[in-house]
Parts: sequence; C-alpha cells; structure tokens
Amino acid sequence: DVKVTQSSRYLVKRTGEKVFLECVQDMDHENMFWYRQDPGLGLRLIYFSYDVKMKEKGDIPEGYSVSREKKERFSLILESASTNQTSMYLCASSARAGWGTEAFFGQGTRLTVV
Amino acid sequence: AQSVAQPEDQVNVAEGNPLTVKCTYSVSGNPYLFWYVQYPNRGLQFLLKYITGDNLVKGSYGFEAEFNKSQTSFHLKKPSALVSDSALYFCAVREGSGGYQKVTFGTGTKLQVIP
Repeated sequence: DVKVTQSSRYLVKRTGEKVFLECVQDMDHENMFWYRQDPGLGLRLIYFSYDVKMKEKGDIPEGYSVSREKKERFSLILESASTNQTSMYLCASSARAGWGTEAFFGQGTRLTVV
Repeated sequence: AQSVAQPEDQVNVAEGNPLTVKCTYSVSGNPYLFWYVQYPNRGLQFLLKYITGDNLVKGSYGFEAEFNKSQTSFHLKKPSALVSDSALYFCAVREGSGGYQKVTFGTGTKLQVIP
C-alpha cells in the first residue's frame, strides 16, 4: 500500500521558533508538495519539488522554506513561526509520468503556534 | 490562470438518496480534473479523475463524476448516499500543457448524509 508519512500529527510551537515538518514517501515519486489547509480557503500550495534538490515556490511561500536532499523526503521549514501560521499542513507526492497522475497525501500535521 | 469553484460550502442529503457535489473550473487549455475526499483529521484520498475520453468517470466507493465541457463542470455524484460518505470533498484541476503545471484545489464542500 502506498504511503506518505508526516512526522507529527499535532505540534505546538512558540512564536519565533524554527519549526521543521518532515514528510517521507515510499513510492519513489518524483514530485512532492507542501500545502496548508485553512477553513474556507481550501488547500493552498506552499512549495513543491520535482526532483532532489529542486524546488519551486507555490502560491504562499512567504515565511517558509523547504529542503529535499533525498528523493523520498521533503521537509518544510518555518523560519520563525508566527501565530498566522497556525494551520493544518499536508504533504503530498505524485509520479511525474503524465499530467493525469493523482497525488497521494499524508495524514496531515496540525500546527498551533502560541 | 486556472481556477476551480465549489459553490456549496455544505450539502445535506438523506441516506439512500442520490447526491451531487458541484464543481466548475476555468482553464485556458485542456483540463485534467480530480476529486478527493477528506475524512476528519485525515489527509486527502483520491476518488477519481478525468483525463480524456468518456465524459462519465467512475471512481472509488461508488462515486462517479460527469465532465461537461460546455458548462465547464465536473460534478461528483453517487446514486445512493451512505452515512459513511459524510466527509469533506475537494475538486481540483490541472491545466495540461508543457512544463510542470500545479494543481489548483477548490475550497471544499462538506457532505452531510443524514440517517
């Protein structure tokens, strides 16, 4: 069974902390994504990566960075956490082959910044 | 720029009745369309997709969706709703053209199936 695993289900961090969210996939997918999900706003793309060490900004990259040193792992970094980054964060992966490939999602990390 | 709209925040339907969750899209080229479902405190799960070919697409758990190019719609349907279908449903679109194209998600529709 295909799997995308996020390191934490729930996190509570303090304002100003540097926060790392980790995501690992076991499907040998080229593409990996980080989204945040907020009520009424749906999913918004933060960053995506189409290969190791490659990254592209999504719709809302401000305040975030990413790292992809290995194909299976994609990390989201909140450089200095702020309360407006309290959200559900979803990692996803997809194969590169064809435009019709669906994404597989992790279970999500609910981050609260206090 | 591509976009997708889900005009209903919530849809209520009685168990056993047919259900429809609406989605309209806007792209400049050919669309690739997806439906995902999210159960509480979980990630999204893929339900079905339209790439090309038959306008009626069948997916997981008895769901189907109808692609209508003239109305730019991709409504999700099921002939007989189950209480276990209660969840949050997302429509998504990707425009098919050269280079990487990101997927745009709608804001989601909460489906409530009433026993």
